[in-house]
Amino acid sequence: ETAVFQTPNYHVTQVGNEVSFNCKQTLGHDTMYWYKQDSKKLLKIMFSYNNKQLIVNETVPRRFSPQSSDKAHLNLRIKSVEPEDSAVYLCASSRVFSGNTLYFGEGSRLIVV
Amino acid sequence: GNSVTQMQGQVTLSEEEFLFINCTYSTTGYPTLFWYVQYPGEGPQLLLKVTTANNKGSSRGFEATYDKGTTSFHLQKASVQESDSAVYYCVLGEGGYKLTFGTGTSLLVDP
Repeated sequence: ETAVFQTPNYHVTQVGNEVSFNCKQTLGHDTMYWYKQDSKKLLKIMFSYNNKQLIVNETVPRRFSPQSSDKAHLNLRIKSVEPEDSAVYLCASSRVFSGNTLYFGEGSRLIVV
Repeated sequence: GNSVTQMQGQVTLSEEEFLFINCTYSTTGYPTLFWYVQYPGEGPQLLLKVTTANNKGSSRGFEATYDKGTTSFHLQKASVQESDSAVYYCVLGEGGYKLTFGTGTSLLVDP
Protein backbone atom coordinates (compact mmCIF):
# COMPACT_ATOMS: atom_id res chain seq x y z
CA GLU A 1 0.00 0.00 0.00
CA THR A 2 1.53 3.30 -1.13
CA ALA A 3 2.08 5.87 1.59
CA VAL A 4 4.64 8.08 -0.15
CA PHE A 5 3.09 9.98 -3.02
CA GLN A 6 5.03 11.64 -5.79
CA THR A 7 3.84 13.90 -8.58
CA PRO A 8 4.27 14.02 -11.48
CA ASN A 9 5.14 10.44 -12.36
CA TYR A 10 6.68 11.45 -15.65
CA HIS A 11 7.86 14.73 -17.12
CA VAL A 12 9.51 15.64 -20.41
CA THR A 13 11.03 19.08 -20.75
CA GLN A 14 13.63 21.02 -22.68
CA VAL A 15 17.10 22.04 -21.55
CA GLY A 16 17.00 25.24 -19.53
CA ASN A 17 13.45 24.86 -18.21
CA GLU A 18 12.48 24.70 -14.55
CA VAL A 19 10.92 21.55 -13.08
CA SER A 20 9.39 20.76 -9.70
CA PHE A 21 8.63 17.41 -8.15
CA ASN A 22 6.32 17.06 -5.18
CA CYS A 23 6.35 14.47 -2.43
CA LYS A 24 3.99 13.79 0.44
CA GLN A 25 4.11 11.02 3.03
CA THR A 26 1.21 9.90 5.21
CA LEU A 27 3.23 7.73 7.59
CA GLY A 28 3.87 10.37 10.24
CA HIS A 29 7.64 10.05 9.73
CA ASP A 30 10.15 12.70 10.80
CA THR A 31 12.64 12.34 7.99
CA MET A 32 12.30 12.62 4.23
CA TYR A 33 14.78 12.14 1.40
CA TRP A 34 15.36 12.69 -2.28
CA TYR A 35 17.37 10.11 -4.19
CA LYS A 36 18.44 10.15 -7.82
CA GLN A 37 18.41 6.87 -9.76
CA ASP A 38 20.31 6.84 -13.04
CA SER A 39 19.83 4.64 -16.09
CA LYS A 40 22.09 1.96 -14.55
CA LYS A 41 19.83 1.83 -11.48
CA LEU A 42 22.48 3.44 -9.28
CA LEU A 43 20.85 5.20 -6.31
CA LYS A 44 22.41 8.34 -4.88
CA ILE A 45 21.10 10.38 -2.01
CA MET A 46 20.68 14.07 -2.75
CA PHE A 47 19.01 15.61 0.29
CA SER A 48 17.54 14.63 3.60
CA TYR A 49 15.25 16.65 5.87
CA ASN A 50 14.35 15.99 9.48
CA ASN A 51 11.38 17.98 10.81
CA LYS A 52 11.79 20.58 8.04
CA GLN A 53 15.51 20.97 8.74
CA LEU A 54 18.07 20.10 6.08
CA ILE A 55 20.41 17.46 7.52
CA VAL A 56 22.04 15.87 4.50
CA ASN A 57 23.04 17.82 1.46
CA GLU A 58 25.22 15.80 -0.85
CA THR A 59 27.27 17.38 -3.56
CA VAL A 60 24.66 18.18 -6.15
CA PRO A 61 24.61 21.07 -8.63
CA ARG A 62 23.24 24.30 -7.24
CA ARG A 63 20.34 24.23 -9.67
CA PHE A 64 18.77 21.59 -7.38
CA SER A 65 16.95 22.92 -4.33
CA PRO A 66 14.76 21.06 -1.83
CA GLN A 67 11.77 22.73 -0.19
CA SER A 68 9.91 21.54 2.88
CA SER A 69 6.75 23.18 4.23
CA ASP A 70 6.19 20.62 6.98
CA LYS A 71 7.51 17.23 7.93
CA ALA A 72 5.06 15.46 5.61
CA HIS A 73 6.10 17.30 2.45
CA LEU A 74 9.40 17.58 0.63
CA ASN A 75 9.57 19.04 -2.85
CA LEU A 76 12.47 19.21 -5.27
CA ARG A 77 13.00 22.07 -7.67
CA ILE A 78 15.43 21.97 -10.57
CA LYS A 79 16.16 25.36 -12.00
CA SER A 80 17.40 25.25 -15.59
CA VAL A 81 17.59 21.51 -16.27
CA GLU A 82 20.52 19.89 -18.09
CA PRO A 83 20.53 16.66 -20.14
CA GLU A 84 22.38 14.81 -17.35
CA ASP A 85 19.43 15.49 -15.04
CA SER A 86 17.44 12.86 -16.94
CA ALA A 87 16.80 10.22 -14.29
CA VAL A 88 14.20 8.87 -11.89
CA TYR A 89 13.87 10.95 -8.73
CA LEU A 90 12.76 8.92 -5.74
CA CYS A 91 11.30 10.38 -2.57
CA ALA A 92 11.46 8.40 0.66
CA SER A 93 10.64 8.77 4.32
CA SER A 94 11.66 7.09 7.56
CA ARG A 95 11.61 7.51 11.30
CA VAL A 96 14.57 9.53 12.42
CA PHE A 97 17.29 6.91 12.69
CA SER A 98 18.82 5.19 9.67
CA GLY A 99 18.28 1.83 11.35
CA ASN A 100 14.66 2.25 10.44
CA THR A 101 13.04 1.29 7.20
CA LEU A 102 12.95 3.65 4.24
CA TYR A 103 9.60 3.90 2.47
CA PHE A 104 9.92 5.01 -1.14
CA GLY A 105 7.46 6.53 -3.55
CA GLU A 106 7.11 5.20 -7.07
CA GLY A 107 9.43 7.81 -8.49
CA SER A 108 9.25 10.73 -10.88
CA ARG A 109 10.91 10.13 -14.22
CA LEU A 110 12.46 13.20 -15.81
CA ILE A 111 13.48 13.28 -19.45
CA VAL A 112 15.38 16.33 -20.66
CA VAL A 113 15.49 16.81 -24.41
CA GLY B 1 33.92 6.07 4.89
CA ASN B 2 31.29 3.39 4.54
CA SER B 3 31.06 1.35 1.36
CA VAL B 4 29.04 -1.53 -0.04
CA THR B 5 30.15 -3.75 -2.90
CA GLN B 6 27.88 -5.78 -5.16
CA MET B 7 29.98 -7.23 -7.96
CA GLN B 8 27.14 -8.89 -9.86
CA GLY B 9 25.40 -6.37 -12.04
CA GLN B 10 23.05 -8.86 -13.61
CA VAL B 11 21.99 -12.41 -12.80
CA THR B 12 19.84 -14.60 -15.04
CA LEU B 13 18.27 -17.79 -13.71
CA SER B 14 15.53 -20.23 -14.60
CA GLU B 15 12.60 -20.83 -12.26
CA GLU B 16 13.36 -23.04 -9.26
CA GLU B 17 17.10 -22.38 -9.46
CA PHE B 18 19.14 -21.27 -6.44
CA LEU B 19 19.88 -17.56 -6.06
CA PHE B 20 23.01 -16.17 -4.44
CA ILE B 21 23.90 -12.48 -4.60
CA ASN B 22 27.20 -11.33 -3.16
CA CYS B 23 27.47 -8.31 -0.88
CA THR B 24 30.44 -7.13 1.14
CA TYR B 25 30.67 -3.99 3.19
CA SER B 26 33.23 -1.77 4.85
CA THR B 27 32.62 0.30 7.95
CA THR B 28 34.28 1.19 11.20
CA GLY B 29 31.16 0.92 13.34
CA TYR B 30 28.29 -1.44 14.11
CA PRO B 31 25.93 -1.20 11.19
CA THR B 32 22.46 -2.35 10.41
CA LEU B 33 22.33 -4.20 7.09
CA PHE B 34 19.41 -4.31 4.71
CA TRP B 35 18.36 -5.81 1.41
CA TYR B 36 15.96 -3.69 -0.60
CA VAL B 37 14.13 -4.91 -3.72
CA GLN B 38 12.81 -2.80 -6.56
CA TYR B 39 10.20 -4.26 -8.88
CA PRO B 40 9.67 -2.70 -12.32
CA GLY B 41 7.80 0.60 -12.15
CA GLU B 42 7.99 0.81 -8.36
CA GLY B 43 10.22 2.37 -5.75
CA PRO B 44 12.58 0.17 -3.70
CA GLN B 45 11.06 -1.58 -0.69
CA LEU B 46 12.57 -3.32 2.28
CA LEU B 47 13.08 -7.05 1.80
CA LEU B 48 14.89 -7.85 5.03
CA LYS B 49 17.03 -6.27 7.70
CA VAL B 50 19.51 -7.48 10.31
CA THR B 51 20.69 -5.30 13.16
CA THR B 52 22.98 -7.71 15.00
CA ALA B 53 26.17 -9.34 13.77
CA ASN B 54 26.01 -13.08 13.12
CA ASN B 55 22.24 -13.02 12.96
CA LYS B 56 20.13 -14.06 10.01
CA GLY B 57 17.28 -12.17 8.42
CA SER B 58 14.60 -13.82 6.32
CA SER B 59 11.55 -12.76 4.39
CA ARG B 60 9.44 -14.21 1.57
CA GLY B 61 11.85 -17.15 1.17
CA PHE B 62 14.96 -14.95 1.02
CA GLU B 63 17.72 -15.18 3.64
CA ALA B 64 20.81 -13.17 4.49
CA THR B 65 23.29 -13.56 7.33
CA TYR B 66 25.24 -10.64 8.74
CA ASP B 67 28.78 -12.00 9.05
CA LYS B 68 30.99 -9.52 10.86
CA GLY B 69 34.08 -11.71 10.44
CA THR B 70 33.96 -11.69 6.65
CA THR B 71 32.04 -8.38 6.43
CA SER B 72 29.52 -10.03 4.13
CA PHE B 73 25.73 -9.97 3.86
CA HIS B 74 24.97 -12.26 0.93
CA LEU B 75 21.37 -12.77 -0.18
CA GLN B 76 20.08 -16.22 -1.10
CA LYS B 77 16.90 -18.00 -2.03
CA ALA B 78 16.52 -21.72 -2.57
CA SER B 79 14.09 -21.62 -5.49
CA VAL B 80 13.36 -18.46 -7.46
CA GLN B 81 10.16 -17.64 -9.29
CA GLU B 82 9.55 -15.41 -12.27
CA SER B 83 7.93 -12.89 -9.90
CA ASP B 84 11.30 -12.45 -8.15
CA SER B 85 12.66 -10.62 -11.21
CA ALA B 86 13.73 -7.26 -9.83
CA VAL B 87 16.74 -5.19 -8.79
CA TYR B 88 18.21 -6.08 -5.39
CA TYR B 89 20.21 -3.58 -3.34
CA CYS B 90 22.47 -4.32 -0.41
CA VAL B 91 22.36 -1.35 1.99
CA LEU B 92 24.41 -0.33 5.00
CA GLY B 93 23.07 1.94 7.72
CA GLU B 94 25.20 3.26 10.53
CA GLY B 95 23.63 5.88 12.74
CA GLY B 96 22.65 9.27 11.41
CA TYR B 97 20.31 9.67 8.51
CA LYS B 98 22.27 8.39 5.55
CA LEU B 99 22.24 4.89 4.15
CA THR B 100 24.89 3.56 1.78
CA PHE B 101 23.39 1.69 -1.16
CA GLY B 102 25.23 -0.90 -3.23
CA THR B 103 25.13 -0.63 -7.00
CA GLY B 104 22.27 -3.11 -7.32
CA THR B 105 21.95 -6.54 -8.89
CA SER B 106 19.35 -7.00 -11.59
CA LEU B 107 17.77 -10.47 -11.39
CA LEU B 108 15.95 -11.90 -14.38
CA VAL B 109 14.14 -15.19 -13.88
CA ASP B 110 13.07 -17.02 -17.03
CA PRO B 111 9.83 -19.01 -16.77
